[in-house]
Amino acid sequence: DAGITQSPRHKVTETGTPVTLRCHQTENHRYMYWYRQDPGHGLRLIHYSYGVKDTDKGEVSDGYSVSRSKTEDFLLTLESATSSQTSVYFCAISESLSEAFFGQGTRLTVV
Amino acid sequence: GQNIDQPTEMTATEGAIVQINCTYQTSGFNGLFWYQQHAGEAPTFLSYNVLDGLEEKGRFSSFLSRSKGYSYLLLKELQMKDSASYLCAVRGAGSYQLTFGKGTKLSVIP
Repeated sequence: DAGITQSPRHKVTETGTPVTLRCHQTENHRYMYWYRQDPGHGLRLIHYSYGVKDTDKGEVSDGYSVSRSKTEDFLLTLESATSSQTSVYFCAISESLSEAFFGQGTRLTVV
Repeated sequence: GQNIDQPTEMTATEGAIVQINCTYQTSGFNGLFWYQQHAGEAPTFLSYNVLDGLEEKGRFSSFLSRSKGYSYLLLKELQMKDSASYLCAVRGAGSYQLTFGKGTKLSVIP
């Protein structure tokens, strides 16, 4: 299994508060991704990174920002959480374009 | 943009064969992926097709026809543990991104 760790695994937060989710990899893979998964929508890409300090927006990036200061860490920040951001968040990594491996997910509830 | 369609749910009998279809419309194509996801767990990689034809891996096979925008995942000798959602995903040409379909929930019954 690819070495991907997401933290926290579960979080409950209040509307309007900032939240940061962390994805840590031990595989030295170049590409990292943040997805959210919601019933009826499947997995949707939020942001991705193709190297240190190189990031770009995905399909549903509004309300989210990311940072990648080291190869192994990719942070997802919700500047001011809203109830619509209640979701399960998955980090994924890949080195080649023929594979991608997912972390165990973070279940975020915004109340 | 990309549009990916797959059936929402399927049911099959233990020991049987099931085929899960995926059709896609993309502005470019650089590979099709299948993932398995058990409830409450992370997606796990099953297969990758970039050329037309069939790729076989044990009980699982995946087929691609680029001209038809069509793929299927074939599961043989179904087991109860195969009950899961199966996700089809496409990578566009020159893209780092995977675009996922909504997934097919497969229920295997005795």
